Amino acid sequence: AQTVTQSQPEMSVQEAETVTLSCTYDTSESNYYLFWYKQPPSRQMILVIRQEAYKQQNATENRFSVNFQKAAKSFSLKISDSQLGDTAMYFCAFMKPRPGGSEKLVFGKGTKLTVNP
Amino acid sequence: EAQVTQNPRYLITVTGKKLTVTCSQNMNHEYMSWYRQDPGLGLRQIYYSMNVEVTDKGDVPEGYKVSRKEKRNFPLILESPSPNQTSLYFCASRTSGVHQPQHFGDGTRLSIL
Repeated sequence: AQTVTQSQPEMSVQEAETVTLSCTYDTSESNYYLFWYKQPPSRQMILVIRQEAYKQQNATENRFSVNFQKAAKSFSLKISDSQLGDTAMYFCAFMKPRPGGSEKLVFGKGTKLTVNP
Repeated sequence: EAQVTQNPRYLITVTGKKLTVTCSQNMNHEYMSWYRQDPGLGLRQIYYSMNVEVTDKGDVPEGYKVSRKEKRNFPLILESPSPNQTSLYFCASRTSGVHQPQHFGDGTRLSIL
């Protein structure tokens, strides 16, 4: 079974600085998808960024980027120019394609990020 | 506006009293899913549905039921709730195609006394 590990339960960063959240996963598959979700205090689950395993290029969405190391099974999230609104719980998630479209997301336990003014 | 709507947002109830959490999406998505979120455990899948009348168990299905009579609705039923089902619940949906992201509802906080 796939597992997703986020080794940092909590992190903090000063506003405008850069922070990196770690995520590792365990799988024997070669084709899969990885995601970072953000959960602010409002409890919404918001997709931040996604990465297809077959793509070597790291995904980027504005201030958010990933460092995808397939051989090391690592998928870290870098937040540049941190803003107060980035304060949230961040979840790393893994998805393996399955026949019939029955894929599910396997989530890590989350990293609580606090951006300090 | 495309959205996944859950109701209620909050519920406090007692052990054994049947309850239903509704989930509705307006995006014509085929795939719908229920998760529960517990501190230190992340989100875990309870049940999922790939289309109308097609449902299957996720990782933690015990004590829950679901149905998918219409494409837009996917209610979660707790026939006899117990305190260990106190949790934050999320419904999610996506269209077919594995690369499509899931859209989440705003969550339902259930407290079973």
